[in-house]
Formats: sequence, structure tokens, C-alpha cells
Amino acid sequence: NAGVTQTPKFQVLKTGQSMTLQCAQDMNHNSMYWYRQDPGMGLRLIYYSASEGTTDKGEVPNGYNVSRLNKREFSLRLESAAPSQTSVYFCASSEQRLAKNIQYFGAGTRLSVL
Amino acid sequence: KQEVTQIPAALSVPEGENLVLNCSFTDSAIYNLQWFRQDPGKGLTSLLLIQSSQREQTSGRLNASLDKSSGRSTLYIAASQPGDSATYLCAVDNAGNMLTFGGGTRLMVKP
Repeated sequence: NAGVTQTPKFQVLKTGQSMTLQCAQDMNHNSMYWYRQDPGMGLRLIYYSASEGTTDKGEVPNGYNVSRLNKREFSLRLESAAPSQTSVYFCASSEQRLAKNIQYFGAGTRLSVL
Repeated sequence: KQEVTQIPAALSVPEGENLVLNCSFTDSAIYNLQWFRQDPGKGLTSLLLIQSSQREQTSGRLNASLDKSSGRSTLYIAASQPGDSATYLCAVDNAGNMLTFGGGTRLMVKP
């Protein structure tokens, strides 16, 4: 069972470079999410997609864009990377039943921006 | 804005001890509260989800309680084992699709 798969696992960028983080889920979930986790802090929501074709901003959307390519895939793009975007990025998915929104997480992408 | 706090930030206990991890939140209008486990370098695994109408949930040696009125939840781990060593995160769902996470408690269980 693959669950939620994120690529790449590690990435080093120079300031100003762009890149796309990929996420795919094989659980037929409607909702998908992108979080970032900084040292000593919990996860913060960047963007989410409640269903195919929709995306909404989370708590920290600035500097990021997302694409819900189809039901399986949800990508996160950094157009011009900044050192403040050095973080661990997690993708998650859920069935999104209101009272029981269990989210399943990928293993993360560790990004360093120099 | 919902704020979630976890105390302590780190905890070290000897094997076999029962322990309690604490989580507090500021807005009691929640759909549910979840406890997650995170191993170093790994993603999060959901341990327990308590719906807003529930008081507690149990899974094996884990028991999570919820007191919405006081904005508190606890995760009780019975007879701790070295394999329980990990970071434990609580998260509150206010809007049905957005989780607000606490900073986590890093637990070490010593053999």
C-alpha cells in the first residue's frame, strides 16, 4: 500500500530558483493538503484542495502556488525560492468526512534554500 | 484564531512508566481533535481521533480524553516502551478541513 507518495525526498535550491514538489495518493481521497514543518513547531497549512478542481489558501500561502492536477495528484510550486522557505514539507490526504477528517501523511520533502 | 499548545515540549521517562501528554486549545468550537505520532525523519501517523461529541478514545495502551469546555485533551500512555519514543502531536479541526497543530511533545522512553 503506497498511501501518500511525495517526491523528491530531499532538495537543495539556491535563492531565486523554482521547483515543484509532487504528491500523489492512491486512496481515492477527495481532499489533499500541503503543510510545512519548521524546527520546534507544529505543522502549518499552506494550501488545501477539498475536491478535484478546487484549491484554497491555508495559514501560510505566501510564496507558494498549487495545482490539483486530478483526484490523485496535488503539486506545490515555489516560483522564486527564499531562505525562509527552508523547511520540511508534508502532503496529506483525507476522505474529508466532517466529524472524522483523518488525514494520511506522506514521508515529507526536506528542502534547503541557500 | 485557534491556538494549540502542548506541554511539556520534551519528556524522558524510564520504561514501564505510565505517562500523560497534554494539549490545550483556545477555541472550543471544534469538529474533532487528533493525536499523531511522528518518528524522526518520517511523516505523521494518526493514533486517535476524538469527535467533538465524544469524551475519550482508546487504542491498545493509548487513551485520549477530550474536555471541550476547558479546551484540553490528554494522551495517556500505559506501560511505556522504548518503541514509544517519538514526537507526539495534537491537532484540532475547526472547519472540517483545516487542522491546527500544537508544537509537539518529544518523548524518550529509556530501557
